[in-house]
Amino acid sequence: QQQVKQSPQSLIVQKGGISIINCAYENTAFDYFPWYQQFPGKGPALLIAIRPDVSEKKEGRFTISFNKSAKQFSLHIMDSQPGDSATYFCAASENGGGNKLTFGTGTQLKVEL
Amino acid sequence: DGGITQSPKYLFRKEGQNVTLSCEQNLNHDAMYWYRQDPGQGLRLIYYSQIVNDFQKGDIAEGYSVSREKKESFPLTVTSAQKNPTAFYLCASTLGTSQSEKLFFGSGTQLSVL
Repeated sequence: QQQVKQSPQSLIVQKGGISIINCAYENTAFDYFPWYQQFPGKGPALLIAIRPDVSEKKEGRFTISFNKSAKQFSLHIMDSQPGDSATYFCAASENGGGNKLTFGTGTQLKVEL
Repeated sequence: DGGITQSPKYLFRKEGQNVTLSCEQNLNHDAMYWYRQDPGQGLRLIYYSQIVNDFQKGDIAEGYSVSREKKESFPLTVTSAQKNPTAFYLCASTLGTSQSEKLFFGSGTQLSVL
């Protein structure tokens, strides 16, 4: 049972463009939504996270948009750079579940010159 | 340098063999985790431990075992009962056990079956 669905599986964006990755969840008890970035051969690293009490969170070129009623959230990477080429995972956890995260299946982003 | 060290980077398992993946952290973190990563399937939780001498099963614990005898160490054994062990294994830790704790990951071990 996949509780967090992520799309697209892969994405190619031109340098300077906007990269958009979408996630949808089913479990209404989820209330913490982080995004992790993974470079080849490395472990993931936390990029940005959001709670459902806000609809948007921005950190530099990275923005999370959150739609509680639709149970969807997305990552927007503005002015995408070749150094952003990586795999991105959305995730979710329940309050009271500690930090047991349910991860999406990942999106492989390639930013071309 | 503080961080999580996983070894070996590559590991090969023969049929019927148990193998152990090492995970050591010098971050003084309380909680440690093992995830399995398969292409197109994201990360799935195998086991986690919130304190020394205690651990809980994750979503896919069958065929795996762990121990947590020291705060800094959380080895994972892939037993012969795990019929499809080929995957990238990631160890992680968090300072505490609250929901928004950041996961710190090691660089992973790629396990393959001979």
